[in-house]
Amino acid sequence: GQQLNQSPQSMFIQEGEDVSMNCTSSSIFNTWLWYKQEPGEGPVLLIALYKAGELTSNGRLTAQFGITRKDSFLNISASIPSDVGIYFCAGQNYNNAGNMLTFGGGTRLMVKP
Amino acid sequence: GAGVSQSPSNKVTEKGKDVELRCDPISGHTALYWYRQSLGQGLEFLIYFQGNSAPDKSGLPSDRFSAERTGGSVSTLTIQRTQQEDSAVYLCASSSPGLAGGGRQYFGPGTRLTVL
Repeated sequence: GQQLNQSPQSMFIQEGEDVSMNCTSSSIFNTWLWYKQEPGEGPVLLIALYKAGELTSNGRLTAQFGITRKDSFLNISASIPSDVGIYFCAGQNYNNAGNMLTFGGGTRLMVKP
Repeated sequence: GAGVSQSPSNKVTEKGKDVELRCDPISGHTALYWYRQSLGQGLEFLIYFQGNSAPDKSGLPSDRFSAERTGGSVSTLTIQRTQQEDSAVYLCASSSPGLAGGGRQYFGPGTRLTVL
C-alpha cells in the first residue's frame, strides 16, 4: 500500500525561527493536506493542495505540492509558542470508494520561548 | 454549525468487555471515517462510510471491530472483547462527498480508550 515518510519526527526550536518539514511518498497523490494536532484534540486542517507545483500560504504557513506529486513540504515562518503541536501530512487519491487519506507519521514541534 | 462531535471523550474498560464509541458528523457531510491513533503515532484508517454505499472496512484490524452508520448520520464503532492493545485514541472525521469535498476531512476531538 501507499506509504508516507514524514520528516523530521520532531523539532525543538527557538521562538522566532523558521521551520520546515516534508513528506515523501512511494506513489503519487492527487491532493496533499497538512493538519495540526494539539494535545487532547483531533487534527485541524491547515492547508490543502490540489495541483502539482502549487504553492499555498495561510498566514505564516506555506505549503507546496511537489512537481512529481510524490512530495510536499510545510514551512512555518517566525515560529511562536502556540505553534507547538504535531503536524501531519496526508495524501489523497480519489477513487470510487471516496476521498481516502494516507497520513504521515507526524512531526512533533516544540518551541522554546 | 457544529463540528464533528464524539462521545465519550474518555473510556476506561476492563479487558474482555465490549465498548461503543459514537460519532456525530458535520451536518450535510455524507462521508464519515474512523481512525485509530496510538500514543505518539500517526493515524491508522479503520473504516469509511459514503452515503448508502457499502462501507469500506479494509482497515479494521480484526473481526472484533465493527461499525455502523444509521440514517446516514451518526456512526457507532464497536469493539468486542477488548484487548489491551486496543488502547488508543479513536478519531472520527467527516467530509463532503466526492471531488466537492476536495479531500478535506474534518476531525472530532476523539475518544481516548484505555483497556486495563
